[in-house]
Amino acid sequence: RKEVEQDPGPFNVPEGATVAFNCTYSNSASQSFFWYRQDCRKEPKLLMSVYSSGNEDGRFTAQLNRASQYISLLIRDSKLSDSATYLCVVNKGTGGSYIPTFGRGTSLIVHP
Amino acid sequence: EPEVTQTPSHQVTQMGQEVILRCVPISNHLYFYWYRQILGQKVEFLVSFYNNEISEKSEIFDDQFSVERPDGSNFTLKIRSTKLEDSAMYFCASSAQGGGQPQHFGDGTRLSIL
Repeated sequence: RKEVEQDPGPFNVPEGATVAFNCTYSNSASQSFFWYRQDCRKEPKLLMSVYSSGNEDGRFTAQLNRASQYISLLIRDSKLSDSATYLCVVNKGTGGSYIPTFGRGTSLIVHP
Repeated sequence: EPEVTQTPSHQVTQMGQEVILRCVPISNHLYFYWYRQILGQKVEFLVSFYNNEISEKSEIFDDQFSVERPDGSNFTLKIRSTKLEDSAMYFCASSAQGGGQPQHFGDGTRLSIL
């Protein structure tokens, strides 16, 4: 099983749709989790951290399920500008030393 | 908004040559990272750096690679004797804290080995 797995997509949705992505991880000792977005040939940009209690930032909601070892990202009311690749990042480690593992990303295309 | 800057944006080098990729992290950040992304593939962690020493490194970061913080602002990645398979986008990142805190990425250096 890969360390961090994502459905590559693409997810092709109309504007205004709600779309959800999952990301599974294999290492139960993983400590912190993030979603980044990456536009074509650009750098990853932090979208949000993922907390055990779940967190919401505007149209975006992230959830962590430690028992089943997955994180999710929900995007409501999709905009054309949400078209990008969404990267799941899982950190494993202790103290101040962590090793981040990226998923391959899920491609989202929002069309008019 | 402060940002991580990387130079050059594109580096073309003959196989076997040495390259140095440069990064200026966000000024009050203490933790620095290098990643690479081969075209069409995932972002891969290379190394993390804190307090003037390597904190963690991946299997990719072998003796061919080294990092340095030569002064108070720059953070460099040196690749000795480059190989064709080193062709990739190299991203530098920094964070204010360690412990798996969010990182801010530079816009990358595209390295092409001929």
